[in-house]
Amino acid sequence: AAGVIQSPRHLIKEKRETATLKCYPIPRHDTVYWYQQGPGQDPQFLISFYEKMQSDKGSIPDRFSAQQFSDYHSELNMSSLELGDSALYFCASSLDKGTGGTDTQYFGPGTRLTVL
Amino acid sequence: AQSVTQLDSHVSVSEGTPVLLRCNYSSSYSPSLFWYVQHPNKGLQLLLKYTSAATLVKGINGFEAEFKKSETSFHLTKPSAHMSDAAEYFCVVTPPGYSSASKIIFGSGTRLSIRP
Repeated sequence: AAGVIQSPRHLIKEKRETATLKCYPIPRHDTVYWYQQGPGQDPQFLISFYEKMQSDKGSIPDRFSAQQFSDYHSELNMSSLELGDSALYFCASSLDKGTGGTDTQYFGPGTRLTVL
Repeated sequence: AQSVTQLDSHVSVSEGTPVLLRCNYSSSYSPSLFWYVQHPNKGLQLLLKYTSAATLVKGINGFEAEFKKSETSFHLTKPSAHMSDAAEYFCVVTPPGYSSASKIIFGSGTRLSIRP
C-alpha cells in the first residue's frame, strides 16, 4: 500500500539559511500534520492542514510556515535556521472523520535536518 | 485534560521471551489509544489502535494491547521477542471524535532492547 512520502530524507543547512521540506500524503487522505522530533524526544506537533486550510497549530516557530496544495501535498518552509532546529521532521496524513475516516495518523519516514 | 505515561524508558529482554511495555493514560473522556514503533532513523509505524471496540487489540508483528479502563492502562505485549523488535515504542492518546492534532499526546517513549 502507498505510504506517506517525504523529501528530502536528509538535509544539511547552515545557520540563517532556509529549508523547504515536502510531504506527499497517502492517496485520498485530506489531512496532513507536521511534527518535530528532537534527539531523544517524542514528536512535537507543529501544524496541520485539512482540505488545504490550516486546521490546527502547535508549537511552530514564527520562522516556520507551511501550506497544503491543491494536490494535498504539503510543504514546511523554515527560515533563519538555528542550530536548535536540527531534528527529525515527520509528516503524517489521515482521512478526516468528517469524510468517513478515522483519527489514525500514518507517518512518513521523516526528513533529518542538520543545521551547522 | 489528557496525559499519557510510559512507565519504563528502557526495557531489555532476551530473544524468545515475553515483552511488556507499560502505558497509563489520563483522560476526561474515553480516548482513542495507539501504539507506534520507531526503528532507528525511521518513521513512526502504527502497531495497533484502540477505539472503544474490543478491549483486546491485536496489531502487527504479533503485538497486542489490552485496554483496561479500571486501571487506565493500555500495556503492549508480545509473547516472544524477536531481534527485529528492538526499537522505540510510543504510546499515544487522542480524545474521541476530535481530529485536532494538537490534542494528540505522545508518551515519552520506551526503548526496547533484545538480548541474543
